[in-house]
Amino acid sequence: GQQVMQIPQYQHVQEGEDFTTYCNSSTTLSNIQWYKQRPGGHPVFLIQLVKSGEVKKQKRLTFQFGEAKKNSSLHITATQTTDVGTYFCAGPYQAGTALIFGKGTTLSVSS
Amino acid sequence: EPEVTQTPSHQVTQMGQEVILRCVPISNHLYFYWYRQILGQKVEFLVSFYNNEISEKSEIFDDQFSVERPDGSNFTLKIRSTKLEDSAMYFCASRRTGLGNSPLHFGNGTRLTVT
Repeated sequence: GQQVMQIPQYQHVQEGEDFTTYCNSSTTLSNIQWYKQRPGGHPVFLIQLVKSGEVKKQKRLTFQFGEAKKNSSLHITATQTTDVGTYFCAGPYQAGTALIFGKGTTLSVSS
Repeated sequence: EPEVTQTPSHQVTQMGQEVILRCVPISNHLYFYWYRQILGQKVEFLVSFYNNEISEKSEIFDDQFSVERPDGSNFTLKIRSTKLEDSAMYFCASRRTGLGNSPLHFGNGTRLTVT
C-alpha cells in the first residue's frame, strides 16, 4: 500500500549543529506538507511544497521537494532548543483530501 | 486565531464500552478528519468527512468506528466496543478546502485509555 517513510527516526544534536530529516514516498506526490509536533502537543503545519525541485525557506528551516516528487527533506541550520519536537512529512492519501503521515523524526537538542 | 477544539482531553473506559469523542472544527472549514497516534508512534489516518458523509477511510476504520456531524458545529467519533489496542491519542483535524495547499488544523487531542 501507499507509504511515506522518514529517516532517521531519532536525532540528537548539540545546540548550534545542523539537522536534516528525509522523507520518501512509494508513489509520486502532487504535493507534500511538513508538520511539527512539540512534546505533548498536536501537529502544527509548517509548509507545503508543490513543484518539482521546489525549495522553500523559513528562517533557519529549508524544505526541498525532489525532482521526481517522491522525496523531500527538511534541513535546520544551527539548531536551537526551541526546535525540539517531532517533524512529520505528509502526502495525499490515495486520490482524496486526507493526508498520510510519515513516522516522523524526533529531534532532541542539548545546550 | 480560530482553532479546533476537542473534548474530553482524557477519557478512560473499560474494554467493551462505547466512547464518543467530540470535536468542534474551525467554523468555515468544510473537510473534517480523525487521526490517531499511539504513544510515540506515527499519526495514522482514520477517516475523512465532507458534505455530511464519509469521503475516505483507512483500513483501521472498521465497523466498530463511526463518525457523525449531529449539528452544524460538532463532529464526533464513536467507538462501539473498545479494545485495549484502541488506547491512543485521537486527533480531530479540519481544513478549509480539499486542495493540496490547504493545511490541516489539528485539535489538542483526546487521550483514550482503555483498561
